[in-house]
Amino acid sequence: QQPVQSPQAVILREGEDAVINCSSSKALYSVHWYRQKHGEAPVFLMILLKGGEQKGHDKISASFNEKKQQSSLYLTASQLSYSGTYFCGTENAGGTSYGKLTFGQGTILTVHP
Amino acid sequence: NAGVMQNPRHLVRRRGQEARLRCSPMKGHSHVYWYRQLPEEGLKFMVYLQKENIIDESGMPKERFSAEFPKEGPSILRIQQVVRGDSAAYFCASSPNRGNTEAFFGQGTRLTVV
Repeated sequence: QQPVQSPQAVILREGEDAVINCSSSKALYSVHWYRQKHGEAPVFLMILLKGGEQKGHDKISASFNEKKQQSSLYLTASQLSYSGTYFCGTENAGGTSYGKLTFGQGTILTVHP
Repeated sequence: NAGVMQNPRHLVRRRGQEARLRCSPMKGHSHVYWYRQLPEEGLKFMVYLQKENIIDESGMPKERFSAEFPKEGPSILRIQQVVRGDSAAYFCASSPNRGNTEAFFGQGTRLTVV
């Protein structure tokens, strides 16, 4: 079953912050975050593993709440280059689900000068 | 270190023809995943392969679609007797291990059926 992302779209001015959420109804093994610009391939941002850890690089970080089966992506001091569609991909625990990613519907982020 | 390579980047086929999409994973990666993306939509899982084996094909349509990842050479996604509804971007991703690890995407093949 597809994870649910919220919000569906976000509009920011440069320098503002944003949070994108990803929720699953199934037990999760890991959560992967990608950004895709129009007409391009999804670009890997980070992976969060079971254990509730938080990861980040530069001004983009993420958390994973295993109990709630949720992950959040935090973008601080947004830059124009952050514009794109953000997808979370979830890896479910058990069986043949292990390894494959099920993606949310995406969150469109637009950053204006 | 070359990334995931897909070819062709663009493919135009007439209804009823066959489409062959190729994916060469990153060096050292033996796990390949195919996803389909319709315009303005998300990525839908199709099939997961490891060298010479299909691990999970739960997202593949039962008819006309097949995938392979031979011991030598790229992974191939084959669509027989294409229809207009097959028009989409097909992305391939690869990873070094099964699960719990980063997967990197290729640039995709944009299939247009006319």
